[in-house]
Amino acid sequence: NAGVTQTPKFRILKIGQSMTLQCTQDMNHNYMYWYRQDPGMGLKLIYYSVGAGITDKGEVPNGYNVSRSTTEDFPLRLELAAPSQTSVYFCASSYQTDQPQHFGDGTRLSIL
Amino acid sequence: RKEVEQDPGPFNVPEGATVAFNCTYSNSASQSFFWYRQDCRKEPKLLMSVYSSGNEDGRFTAQLNRASQYISLLIRDSKLSDSATYLCVALNTGNQFYFGTGTSLTVIP
Repeated sequence: NAGVTQTPKFRILKIGQSMTLQCTQDMNHNYMYWYRQDPGMGLKLIYYSVGAGITDKGEVPNGYNVSRSTTEDFPLRLELAAPSQTSVYFCASSYQTDQPQHFGDGTRLSIL
Repeated sequence: RKEVEQDPGPFNVPEGATVAFNCTYSNSASQSFFWYRQDCRKEPKLLMSVYSSGNEDGRFTAQLNRASQYISLLIRDSKLSDSATYLCVALNTGNQFYFGTGTSLTVIP
């Protein structure tokens, strides 16, 4: 069972570069989420989606964009990478909003 | 004020000990609560949901106190494999999950 799959697992970017973090789930979950986790900190919600075509900002959306063209995919876009975006990014999904979330393995991103 | 606050930790306990973690939440309208476990450099994994009546899963017991706005996690007979960071999570009315910063537990042989 694949669950939630994130790619890439690691990436190093230069300041000002752009990239897309991929996330796909095969559980037919409507709800999908992007979090970032800084060292020694809890997860902070960047963006979330309650279904295809619908996205909403979370606690820390600045510097990021998302899209949800299909139920399965929820990519996260960084347009102009900044050192403050160095973090571990987790994608998650859930069947309903009040149900536990299933997480991907994470993407470790460094911006130098 | 943070949405979710946890015991700062770290907790270092001997094998077989009982350990309890507390977590407070600021939004009285929060609807659902969970405990997640996160191993070093790994993704969070659900440990258990927290129900108003309290719930138990083997050596783990979770309690919710809505009046005081806190939840707790009790681990009995600690095992070495319980060493991890435990994250408290609250779901608010805006469909957003708020994670605590985590409490680190190390079980010592």
